[in-house]
Parts: sequence; structure tokens; C-alpha cells
Amino acid sequence: AQSVTQLGSHVSVSEGALVLLRCNYSSSVPPYLFWYVQYPNQGLQLLLKYTSAATLVKGINGFEAEFKKSETSFHLTKPSAHMSDAAEYFCVVSDLSNTGKLIFGQGTTLQVKP
Amino acid sequence: DAGVIQSPRHEVTEMGQEVTLRCKPISGHDYLFWYRQTMMRGLELLIYFNNNVPIDDSGMPEDRFSAKMPNASFSTLKIQPSEPRDSAVYFCASSLDARQGNYGYTFGSGTRLTVV
Repeated sequence: AQSVTQLGSHVSVSEGALVLLRCNYSSSVPPYLFWYVQYPNQGLQLLLKYTSAATLVKGINGFEAEFKKSETSFHLTKPSAHMSDAAEYFCVVSDLSNTGKLIFGQGTTLQVKP
Repeated sequence: DAGVIQSPRHEVTEMGQEVTLRCKPISGHDYLFWYRQTMMRGLELLIYFNNNVPIDDSGMPEDRFSAKMPNASFSTLKIQPSEPRDSAVYFCASSLDARQGNYGYTFGSGTRLTVV
């Protein structure tokens, strides 16, 4: 069965610092991978997605993620954190059955300190 | 496109009452999903539909929960009778057919349910 593990339920960075949110997946075949963001009291919004076209994926708001098959990782990064990046971030892997069902990680809360 | 529309945004009800949550998916999307989010359990998939047909309801916690999709543009999640432990944020999401490439989901803004 597919699964996704997010390392660290809470990450705190200073404004302007590098953001690194870690995600490892388990899948027997190359999966589809996603990062979603949830701002306080809002729904989930798609940040970026990997669908095997390119290993480095650029998303909205300056975020990007790199698919590394050898490490089964899909870490999310942003060079310089902004206060508005404070939110919860979910790493997500697609279900292999092609039904479209997504499997969510437990989420990482990003805190940005001034 | 207005996105996935959920109503109401907030619902406060007394224990034992019936609660109905509503969702309008994006036009043309083949799949509709209902999720529940709590601090303790995170995001849980309750049920999903493909072309208005329920495919997997194994996440529905109890018989008190039921979901319907009478047509492609409307779905309901009903809790009867409601209990305080049902308090959560309920999200609806929709997506295109994954066989055309997995596009991910579009989520609604959620319904925050409080059962007192």
C-alpha cells in the first residue's frame, strides 16, 4: 500500500530563512505526488504536483519540490520565508488504482518568526 | 469557475439533531470526495463518488453518517443523530478522472461543525 510520511509536525523558521519541509513516500511504482497548503480557517490549496514530467517542480508562491526516486523523497523548499507562508502543509501521494484517490500525510505546521 | 462550493460555512447544533452538509463540485469533475479534519485524527477520507455512484464508503465512521449524490452537481453528507464527537471541519473536494492524468483535488472551504 502506498503511504507518505512527513518528518516533523512543526517547523519554525525566521522570516527570510530557507524553508525545508520533508516528505518521504512509499510506492512500488513511480507515483503522482503533491503538496497542498492550508491557511488558517481555509480549505486546502494545491501548491504543486509531480507527474513524472520533470523531477524539479515549481509551484505557487515561490515553492518548489524535487522528486528523488533513489531517496523516495519529495521535499518542499522555498529560499526565503515570508510571514504569509505560515500555514499547514500536506504531502500527498496518489492511489495506484487510478481512481484518483489521494493519500495525505499528517501535515507539517510552518511557523514563521519575524 | 467558482470552485467547489460548500454550505453552510459554520454549523452549530445540539446533540441529537440532524445535520446536513452540502457540496457543489466543479462542473465536469468526475469524482467527489468527503473528508473530515480534526486535530486528533488529521484528514480522514469518509466517502467518495465517481459519476455520482458511491465507490468507497469505508471511511464513514458509523451508520449515523450517510452521503448522497443525486446528480453531478450536488452532494450531501448527513449526520443523524449528531454527537459532540462529530465536531470537526468537513471538506468536500472534486477532481477529474485520474485515468486522464492525476490532476489532484480542488477543495471547498469546508464546513465547521460544532455539536454541543
